Amino acid sequence: SQTIHQWPATLVQPVGSPLSLECTVEGTSNPNLYWYRQAAGRGLQLLFYSVGIGQISSEVPQNLSASRPQDRQFILSSKKLLLSDSGFYLCAWKVRAEAFFGQGTRLTVV
Amino acid sequence: ELKVEQNPLFLSMQEGKNYTIYCNYSTTSDRLYWYRQDPGKSLESLFVLLSNGAVKQEGRLMASLDTKARLSTLHITAAVHDLSATYFCAVERVYTGNQFYFGTGTSLTVIP
Repeated sequence: SQTIHQWPATLVQPVGSPLSLECTVEGTSNPNLYWYRQAAGRGLQLLFYSVGIGQISSEVPQNLSASRPQDRQFILSSKKLLLSDSGFYLCAWKVRAEAFFGQGTRLTVV
Repeated sequence: ELKVEQNPLFLSMQEGKNYTIYCNYSTTSDRLYWYRQDPGKSLESLFVLLSNGAVKQEGRLMASLDTKARLSTLHITAAVHDLSATYFCAVERVYTGNQFYFGTGTSLTVIP
């Protein structure tokens, strides 16, 4: 069966520090991968999506970046965090008409 | 830009009552997803609606899709407290990159 791993679960980082969140998928090949952010009490904002290795599309210009070094690995990064980067970050994968989410990373920038 | 609107944003209902959540979207799409989110948790997949007229039911929840009207509904029958959560619809742009765009969410509270 397919599973998705996302870590860490929680993270507290100072303003200006770098960020690296990782997401890996097991049990499937060539999935579409997505990064979303959810601000407190708000909906989900699509940040990046990828249809294949090295293929990244950005939805919202900001100080975040994403990479897909392997078929089932998706990484969200930042060189310098802002206070406004705080939120709940969710990784998702999709194959055909199934789409599932990781457990999320709650990021607090202080 | 694809817009996905849900209403109501907040819903408080008594146990045993019925209600419907609406999801309108602004562009042609053949796939519509419904998710549930409990506080502080990730999203749980409820339904995937793949074509016009699709209807799916699980327990007290039933989802339907009208692609011509660009409308999906999530109907709650005889609500129970365990259904309290936030419900999201999401539209997939099947032919232009498979992006998912989420609605604003409906926060449902079922009162005993």
